[in-house]
Amino acid sequence: DIQLTQSPSFLSASVGDRVTITCRASQGINSYLAWYQQKPGKAPKLLIYAASTLQSGVPSRFSGSGSGTEFTLTISSLQPEDFATYYCQHLNSYPITFGQGTRLEIK
Amino acid sequence: EVQLVESGGGLVQPGGSLRLSCAVSGFIFSDYYMDWVRQAPGKGLEWVARTRNKPNSYTTEYAASVKGRFTISREDSMKSLYLQMNSLKTEDTAVYYCARAGVATRYFDYWGQGILVTVSS
Repeated sequence: DIQLTQSPSFLSASVGDRVTITCRASQGINSYLAWYQQKPGKAPKLLIYAASTLQSGVPSRFSGSGSGTEFTLTISSLQPEDFATYYCQHLNSYPITFGQGTRLEIK
Repeated sequence: EVQLVESGGGLVQPGGSLRLSCAVSGFIFSDYYMDWVRQAPGKGLEWVARTRNKPNSYTTEYAASVKGRFTISREDSMKSLYLQMNSLKTEDTAVYYCARAGVATRYFDYWGQGILVTVSS
């Protein structure tokens, strides 16, 4: 199974900050990676797929990059509604797996 | 508007069975792969199972943790997805989400609101 390791697991930041979350795969997954945002008590929301493609309706302050084994999600200027937990997920092979999550909190 | 609505959750004893349903609307259900994803209380996301569409023979995939105990199925005429869960264990306690896999991308582009399954004596 492909393991995805996110760093950091916890991030404290302020409104307006630029933040980056990293997802490392235990083996190469080409660009078969997505990023999701989840708020407490809610279903996850797809932000980025195919490593760098912005899902329709997602603000352009979100961006993704990477291929192979290392990927990043960047939020260029944090907004109050961005404080949530973020997960990466691969689609390279079965089983599909998620990273352990990065909790982004307000400083 | 795309909607996915889960039902059928609740409290069940270890070793018991439960069947989850997911009713969808707002899109052509038969065109899409569909998945179940779960989240144990306070934990991260875990993919559970996938069913492909008719052109792909409705083939299925499972996580190792549920293979042989859970069965994913679908009824395209009813626009419904199902998860039959047998031999339930306490570690199956979670919120279960049904999710649509994008027709071209296969990523989870729409999710239901989730349904809680509690396995406890």
